[in-house]
Amino acid sequence: SYVLTQPPSVSLAPGETANIPCGGINIATKDVHWYQQKPGQAPMVVIYHDSNRPSGIPERFSGSNSGNTATLTVGRVEAGDEADYYCQVWDSSGDHPAFGGGTKLTVL
Amino acid sequence: QITLKESGPTLVKPTQTLTLTCVLSGFSVNTSGLGVGWVRQPPGRALEWLALIYWDDEKRYNPSLSRRLAITQDTSKNQVVLTMTNMDPVDSGTYFCARSNFRAWFDPWGQGTLVTVSS
Repeated sequence: SYVLTQPPSVSLAPGETANIPCGGINIATKDVHWYQQKPGQAPMVVIYHDSNRPSGIPERFSGSNSGNTATLTVGRVEAGDEADYYCQVWDSSGDHPAFGGGTKLTVL
Repeated sequence: QITLKESGPTLVKPTQTLTLTCVLSGFSVNTSGLGVGWVRQPPGRALEWLALIYWDDEKRYNPSLSRRLAITQDTSKNQVVLTMTNMDPVDSGTYFCARSNFRAWFDPWGQGTLVTVSS
């Protein structure tokens, strides 16, 4: 199975920029999707197909994908961005979805 | 408005079979190009994909759990049903269903249903 690796946590001050990595072998060849999950809530997609934002997601959220790392960037973080963030791809070898282990974003 | 809503028992005993239902609204289970998947989350832990069924009845299962899982769709009721056999306390957690674009992302998600496995 395809393995996606995320750091357990990222912490920064309000107004700073958060870069949340998602590592995988040749991940640049895959479409990466990102979810935000706030406590007690269901996940919600914030980026799909590497860098596309669904309607209603602030422009502060962006994504990139290169080499072995995809990155979710949250600009000018605010308290409301505190959440767990998960990356997801389609594992073409197993022909099924795969999720990363999640990163907890803390705004100090 | 597209919504999904999970339902099922909140408490099951070890070795029992869990049956969860996902009722769809705003789209049909047999809409070409779409599917419905199940994802679970133990308390305080990460998301784990379980199963997926597409409009044409194509099915996919998490390889590590495939022997215990079965996913079906009922077009007359516009719902998807997941069964998991031989439940264990480690299977406790919140179970979500979500709409899936073909081999892509999940959106939207249901609110989830909490399942506890305990004797």
